[in-house]
Amino acid sequence: SQTIHQWPATLVQPVGSPLSLECTVEGTSNPNLYWYRQAAGRGLQLLFYSVGIGQISSEVPQNLSASRPQDRQFILSSKKLLLSDSGFYLCAWTRESDGELFFGEGSRLTVL
Amino acid sequence: KQEVTQIPAALSVPEGENLVLNCSFTDSAIYNLQWFRQDPGKGLTSLLLIQSSQREQTSGRLNASLDKSSGRSTLYIAASQPGDSATYLCAVGTTNTGNQFYFGTGTSLTVIP
Repeated sequence: SQTIHQWPATLVQPVGSPLSLECTVEGTSNPNLYWYRQAAGRGLQLLFYSVGIGQISSEVPQNLSASRPQDRQFILSSKKLLLSDSGFYLCAWTRESDGELFFGEGSRLTVL
Repeated sequence: KQEVTQIPAALSVPEGENLVLNCSFTDSAIYNLQWFRQDPGKGLTSLLLIQSSQREQTSGRLNASLDKSSGRSTLYIAASQPGDSATYLCAVGTTNTGNQFYFGTGTSLTVIP
């Protein structure tokens, strides 16, 4: 069966520090991968999606970047965090057969 | 652009009651629609997926229906339990490559023992 792992679960970082959130999917190959952000009281915002290694599409201009160095690995990064980067970050993948979307457990980022 | 709305934003019901959560969307050209559950501080758990050619899906006490022509989906929860307390979100998928999902802001459900 397929599983998705995301880490770290919780992160507290000072303004201006770098960020790296990692996501891996097991049990499938060549999945579509996504990074979402969920701000308090707001809906999910798609940040990046990837249909293959090295292929990244950005949905909104921001202080963040994404990379896909391996087929089932998706990384969200920042060189210098802003206060506004605080939020709940969710990695997800879609099953090719029916398009079902599956989420990881999320990473809570607090920028101080 | 697809817009997804969930009403009400919050709902409180006594245990044992049957309830319906609503999801509406503006563009009927969808690929699929998915219902999720989110517990506080957790990721989203997929509950039901309805393809655009389907009218409903059932899993245990949950039943989701889809009416594309009217831009509506409902999630029916039978015999609600305190463990059903969570936020329920619907998401509309608009392409078969899966890169376009539009989410509602969710309905926060509280089931009172």
